[in-house]
Amino acid sequence: AQKITQTQPGMFVQEKEAVTLDCTYDTSDPSYGLFWYKQPSSGEMIFLIYQGSYDQQNATEGRYSLNFQKARKSANLVISASQLGDSAMYFCAMREELRLSGGYNKLIFGAGTRLAVHP
Amino acid sequence: DTEVTQTPKHLVMGMTNKKSLKCEQHMGHRAMYWYKQKAKKPPELMFVYSYEKLSINESVPSRFSPECPNSSLLNLHLHALQPEDSALYLCASSQKPQGGYGYTFGSGTRLTVV
Repeated sequence: AQKITQTQPGMFVQEKEAVTLDCTYDTSDPSYGLFWYKQPSSGEMIFLIYQGSYDQQNATEGRYSLNFQKARKSANLVISASQLGDSAMYFCAMREELRLSGGYNKLIFGAGTRLAVHP
Repeated sequence: DTEVTQTPKHLVMGMTNKKSLKCEQHMGHRAMYWYKQKAKKPPELMFVYSYEKLSINESVPSRFSPECPNSSLLNLHLHALQPEDSALYLCASSQKPQGGYGYTFGSGTRLTVV
């Protein structure tokens, strides 16, 4: 079974500093996808960034970058130049194929990391 | 339109009530999902609809009844719920059920069962 581990329940960062949120995963599938989502207190899950297992380069989206280390099975999220609005819960997730169900996919999530940005 | 819209945003219901949650998307996505998220926990999959047909039921109790009337709309009918069913219910969609990577989530419905 696939598994996602986020070992940091909470993180603090000073405004304008960079912060790294850790994520490790476990899968025996050669093809997989990794996601990071942001969930503010309002509840919406906001997609931030995606990394495919065969992607040669680390994914980047604006201030977000993914430090993908395939051999170590880690997919850490780096947020540069933190802003107050970045305070939220952050989830790492993996796309899991439901093999016995015609290949449909679902997302499995880590426990999340709550990020607080201080002025 | 790149949104998944969920209504209502908040719902309080008694254990004998019948209510429905609604989810709508106009992105042409052919897979739609219901997730349940308890407080301080990650979301967990409940149902997957693919091309308007129920494809996955993750052993969800029958007091939750999903329905997909058309390719844009997904409902979750609630009946005889328990207080432990209080949670954030998230709807999501993706372009296709197999492969691809884009999952778009709605803002959720915060359900309280009293």
